[in-house]
Amino acid sequence: KNEVEQSPQNLTAQEGEFITINCSYSVGISALHWLQQHPGGGIVSLFMLSSGKKKHGRLIATINIQEKHSSLHITASHPRDSAVYICAVRDNTDKLIFGTGTRLQVFP
Amino acid sequence: DAMVIQNPRYQVTQFGKPVTLSCSQTLNHNVMYWYQQKSSQAPKLLFHYYDKDFNNEADTPDNFQSRRPNTSFCFLDIRSPGLGDAAMYLCATAGRGRGANVLTFGAGSRLTVL
Repeated sequence: KNEVEQSPQNLTAQEGEFITINCSYSVGISALHWLQQHPGGGIVSLFMLSSGKKKHGRLIATINIQEKHSSLHITASHPRDSAVYICAVRDNTDKLIFGTGTRLQVFP
Repeated sequence: DAMVIQNPRYQVTQFGKPVTLSCSQTLNHNVMYWYQQKSSQAPKLLFHYYDKDFNNEADTPDNFQSRRPNTSFCFLDIRSPGLGDAAMYLCATAGRGRGANVLTFGAGSRLTVL
């Protein structure tokens, strides 16, 4: 079993829909990162969470440390949001463990 | 701008011919990572450093070595590349401690093995 599990693996949506991607982990962490990778592109860090909730534009990320679960929400989705979204946790030895990613496609 | 720079962006090598990929950072981050990413797969951790403390993943092949001569630079050496080593190699850096959890990725080095 992977230490970091994401769901769903693939997600399609119509423009304007509200999107949720989930991440569960099984190790002790110092931080959780949500990352974005466009096709053929580099990886960009969207959020770093150690508790609570963060918002940046149409993106919201939450984490529940007790339940070892985090969610990434995209409000009013747009075709330019199409990308792979990766949850990565940093354990207490600084090791950064990636989830398998969620491939999102938003259609106009 | 402070950033993580990987060189070369594209590397073509012949089967068995050694390759070195470099990563430099101006962020003064303690932690540096090397990942291998193959098409449509999640990045796979090869190594990570906290300062000069080196951590090797158990399943990283012996063919892969790494050096970190100072905080700013880190190298990935592939001693005898095989066809299966063709991939994107990603370098990332991270700070440590409260308020220092910024994670920054380089643009990657794409390795082709002929």
